[in-house]
Amino acid sequence: GENVEQHPSTLSVQEGDSAVIKCTYSDSASNYFPWYKQELGKRPQLIIDIRSNVGEKKDQRIAVTLNKTAKHFSLHITETQPEDSAVYFCAASRGGTYKYIFGTGTRLKVLA
Amino acid sequence: GAVVSQHPSRVICKSGTSVKIECRSLDFQATTMFWYRQFPKQSLMLMATSNEGSKATYEQGVEKDKFLINHASLTLSTLTVTSAHPEDSSFYICSARGSSGRTDTQYFGPGTRLTVL
Repeated sequence: GENVEQHPSTLSVQEGDSAVIKCTYSDSASNYFPWYKQELGKRPQLIIDIRSNVGEKKDQRIAVTLNKTAKHFSLHITETQPEDSAVYFCAASRGGTYKYIFGTGTRLKVLA
Repeated sequence: GAVVSQHPSRVICKSGTSVKIECRSLDFQATTMFWYRQFPKQSLMLMATSNEGSKATYEQGVEKDKFLINHASLTLSTLTVTSAHPEDSSFYICSARGSSGRTDTQYFGPGTRLTVL
């Protein structure tokens, strides 16, 4: 069945450094790739998304890249801050179903 | 915009009882609502997809007679956990997608923590 792999499962970085989280999807028909940030006990919040007709998207300190051929997409956070500490989930969605297949999550810790 | 509420935020019940969780889209019409469950330190697992006015579509392995979903209007979906048992204890989260604008994007409710004693 459809699957999304996410790495690493945990990531610790020093404040100000960059963080990169990578996901790989299996369904070649996936065409929408959102990233969510979830703080402990809270709802997932959309932080950035990308569609399959775009290779890269940036929003201030956050960027996402997509390689459709390799079925990889990555989240890049620059100049990390302690408030970036949270669990980040990638997801892949096939157009028409609107269902998300979530990755397993990455626990990011930004050390002050 | 795109706010989703969920009620209750926390519920504790006895084994064998039923619990209803409500999910509402507050400022948009939700064409589709989704129900997830999340165990501690794990990812979100889709349980079912519900479209207004039609029967929910359940994911493989999810018992439809145990997890009753009703999507009576474009702003309300309910999940009823029937005859709850301790293994049903989990964090249940709903999400909704709208019929206009960013139709691919799901907006999540704050979740309901269910504890079955």
